[in-house]
Amino acid sequence: AQKVTQAQTEISVVEKEDVTLDCVYETRDTTYYLFWYKQPPSGELVFLIRRNSFDEQNEISGRYSWNFQKSTSSFNFTITASQVVDSAVYFCALSEAGQGGSEKLVFGKGMKLTVNP
Amino acid sequence: DTGVSQDPRHKITKRGQNVTFRCDPISEHNRLYWYRQTLGQGPEFLTYFQNEAQLEKSRLLSDRFSAERPKGSFSTLEIQRTEQGDSAMYLCASSSLLLASGSLTDTQYFGPGTRLTVL
Repeated sequence: AQKVTQAQTEISVVEKEDVTLDCVYETRDTTYYLFWYKQPPSGELVFLIRRNSFDEQNEISGRYSWNFQKSTSSFNFTITASQVVDSAVYFCALSEAGQGGSEKLVFGKGMKLTVNP
Repeated sequence: DTGVSQDPRHKITKRGQNVTFRCDPISEHNRLYWYRQTLGQGPEFLTYFQNEAQLEKSRLLSDRFSAERPKGSFSTLEIQRTEQGDSAMYLCASSSLLLASGSLTDTQYFGPGTRLTVL
């Protein structure tokens, strides 16, 4: 069975600090997809990144970076120089690769990030 | 592109009543998903459609729940004889299978959700 564990439930930092959100996953599939979503107080889930299990390259997008390590089944997310607008709940998710691409998402419990001015 | 829309955004009902939610996916997205999210938890998968075909249903989806996507466009989720345990945020997502650089890509984009409160 698939499982996503986000061990941290809540983190509070001061603006401009760097923060890393941990994600550990379990799957028996050799082909799968990993995702991060952001859920601000408004409630809508916002897609941040998708990663294919065959692509272990780390990715950087502005202040966001992701570290995918199959050896430790981890897909960690780092926010550099955090800002108040980064305050949200962040979810890591996993999906199997069905016949037509990824299918249902299995989410972690989420990690609430509060960035204080 | 307009995003995924859901209606209503909030619904308060009394136990035992039936409720129906609607989801309009991103135009031309052929896949549509329903999830349920309770307070402090991640979303949990309920069901998904490819075009008008319902391809998978979770064990969470009891007999009181039914979902349709009659013409492969919008979808409805109905809950009959609501119970207090049904109180949650119901999220809809849509996706489209794209071919990019020889890879299959498929990212789910979520709507704002319908918050259901059962009194």
